[in-house]
Amino acid sequence: EIVLTQSPATLSLSPGERATLSCRASQSVSSYLAWYQQKPGQAPMLLIYDASNRATGIPARFSGSGSGTDFTLTISSLEPEDFAVYYCHQRSIWPRTFGQGTKVEIK
Amino acid sequence: EVQLVESGGDLVQPGRSLRLSCTTSGFTFGDHRMSWVRQVPGKGLEWIAYIRTKDYGVTTEHAASVKGRFTISRDDSKSIAYLQMNSLKTEDTAMYYCVRDCSGATCNYYFDYWGQGTLVTVSS
Repeated sequence: EIVLTQSPATLSLSPGERATLSCRASQSVSSYLAWYQQKPGQAPMLLIYDASNRATGIPARFSGSGSGTDFTLTISSLEPEDFAVYYCHQRSIWPRTFGQGTKVEIK
Repeated sequence: EVQLVESGGDLVQPGRSLRLSCTTSGFTFGDHRMSWVRQVPGKGLEWIAYIRTKDYGVTTEHAASVKGRFTISRDDSKSIAYLQMNSLKTEDTAMYYCVRDCSGATCNYYFDYWGQGTLVTVSS
């Protein structure tokens, strides 16, 4: 099973700041990695797929990069609605797995 | 509008069974692969089951944690996905989400739509 390790566990930032979230895979997943955002009491929402493609309707301030085992989600300038938990997810090899999440909180 | 609505969650005793349903609308159900993902309250996400379309033989995948106990199925005529859960354990307590795979052309088979979830509590 591919283990996805996200860091940091919590990111404390202010609105307008840049957020950089990391996801490291225990073995290569090529570019088959996605990022999801989850707000309290809501289901997750797809942000990025295939490491760097924004899903439909996702603002340009969200970007993804990486391949193989190291991936990054960047939020260029945090908006109030961006404070949430972010999960990475791989679909390269069964079973599909998720990272443990990074919480982006208001500083 | 794409909608996925889960039902069937309940409080059950260990060892009992439960069947979850995911009633969908707003898209051609038979064209999409479907999954179930669960989340212990306050914890992370765990994918548990996946079913392909008729074009791919309606084949399935199950996580090791539920293999042999849970079974995913689908009824394309009713646009419903199911999760049959047998021999439930206390560690199966979680919110269960029904999730749609987008098409290859749209977002390359990732999870693009999620239901709001149904809560399963396994306790004596």
